[in-house]
Amino acid sequence: AQSVAQPEDQVNVAEGNPLTVKCTYSVSGNPYLFWYVQYPNRGLQFLLKYITGDNLVKGSYGFEAEFNKSQTSFHLKKPSALVSDSALYFCAVRPLNTDKLIFGTGTRLQVFP
Amino acid sequence: DARVTQTPRHKVTEMGQEVTMRCQPILGHNTVFWYRQTMMQGLELLAYFRNRAPLDDSGMPKDRFSAEMPDATLATLKIQPSEPRDSAVYFCASGPPRDPNEQYFGPGTRLTVT
Repeated sequence: AQSVAQPEDQVNVAEGNPLTVKCTYSVSGNPYLFWYVQYPNRGLQFLLKYITGDNLVKGSYGFEAEFNKSQTSFHLKKPSALVSDSALYFCAVRPLNTDKLIFGTGTRLQVFP
Repeated sequence: DARVTQTPRHKVTEMGQEVTMRCQPILGHNTVFWYRQTMMQGLELLAYFRNRAPLDDSGMPKDRFSAEMPDATLATLKIQPSEPRDSAVYFCASGPPRDPNEQYFGPGTRLTVT
């Protein structure tokens, strides 16, 4: 079955430190990969996507994600976390034979001052 | 600043009542998605449309849920009759023709069925 896994329910990091939010996927072929962020009482916001090309993708708010085909991972990263980055982060994958996105269960990022 | 709008933002209703949620996609977007978010199930895709035509509604309980796009500026999701297990936040999202998966989400409708 096609799936997306976000193994950490919550990630805690101090402000100014680098952060990583993990995502792995189980989808055949070369899917499109996405990260979305959800702030409290808001809808999801698109952060970045990988379709092809450079394995390091840069997105909004200083976030980037690294695609690793051999490990089927697409981890979200940021060199220096801000308190305002605290939110719920969703990884998503679009298999090539469908228009639908498969979302992970989300990881809550908490950045402490 | 183009945004997806959803109404109502909050709805409390009694079991058995009809609920209608509305969504106005971003002008020019031709793909519309309906999602449901709960703590237990996470984010589930209910249905989606392209150019107003339904492409997939396999995630939707057919006996009580229905989704339509009367025109390009309005998408509706109806539940009749509503049940307590339908309590959730319902999101609408729209996508541009160049990449429908770069989805733009509305603020959601928080539905509580008592």
